[in-house]
Amino acid sequence: QKEVEQNSGPLSVPEGAIASLNCTYSDRGSQSFFWYRQYSGKSPELIMFIYSNGDKEDGRFTAQLNKASQYVSLLIRDSQPSDSATYLCAVYTFGNEKLTFGTGTRLTIIP
Amino acid sequence: KAGVTQTPRYLIKTRGQQVTLSCSPISGHRSVSWYQQTPGQGLQFLFEYFSETQRNKGNFPGRFSGRQFSNSRSEMNVSTLELGDSALYLCASSLVEGQGRETQYFGPGTRLLVL
Repeated sequence: QKEVEQNSGPLSVPEGAIASLNCTYSDRGSQSFFWYRQYSGKSPELIMFIYSNGDKEDGRFTAQLNKASQYVSLLIRDSQPSDSATYLCAVYTFGNEKLTFGTGTRLTIIP
Repeated sequence: KAGVTQTPRYLIKTRGQQVTLSCSPISGHRSVSWYQQTPGQGLQFLFEYFSETQRNKGNFPGRFSGRQFSNSRSEMNVSTLELGDSALYLCASSLVEGQGRETQYFGPGTRLLVL
């Protein structure tokens, strides 16, 4: 079982709709969870981080964490064509001293 | 505040050569991590340095090495290059806050092509 798993996609969402990206992780001791966006040919850019169970909202983005289910998600409301990118989920586990990344979900927003 | 910088941005080498990549973290950040990104394997952790000490290492052969200087700048070296080393090498810096709450910020990367 991979440490961090994401559906590779591609995920196609109409412009203006909600895009839902999911990530599961295997280590119950994981403490910090991050979502990065990566445009083709560019480096990953941090979108959000979440540490506690529940929802965290930042503009059009909402991160959701459920530690009991070992599940973290990212919702993008009012999707825009500029949101088309690969979204990487990353998990930090205290003691490992490293971020472990999923392979990413490629999101395409259809105008 | 300036972001993470990496040099060079692009590099072409031949098999058997060695290469050194450089990373300057965000001012005040003491931790530098290196990653290799390839289309097939995604982002893979190479190693992390904090206060000039390697704190963690990924599953890469000994041909991959690194170091960190007292000003937190870091270099990574790959010796005896192989075709499979062609990748985007990313450096990320973080302000170590403890409790595992480290947010990493990535540089633009160095794209290495081995011929």
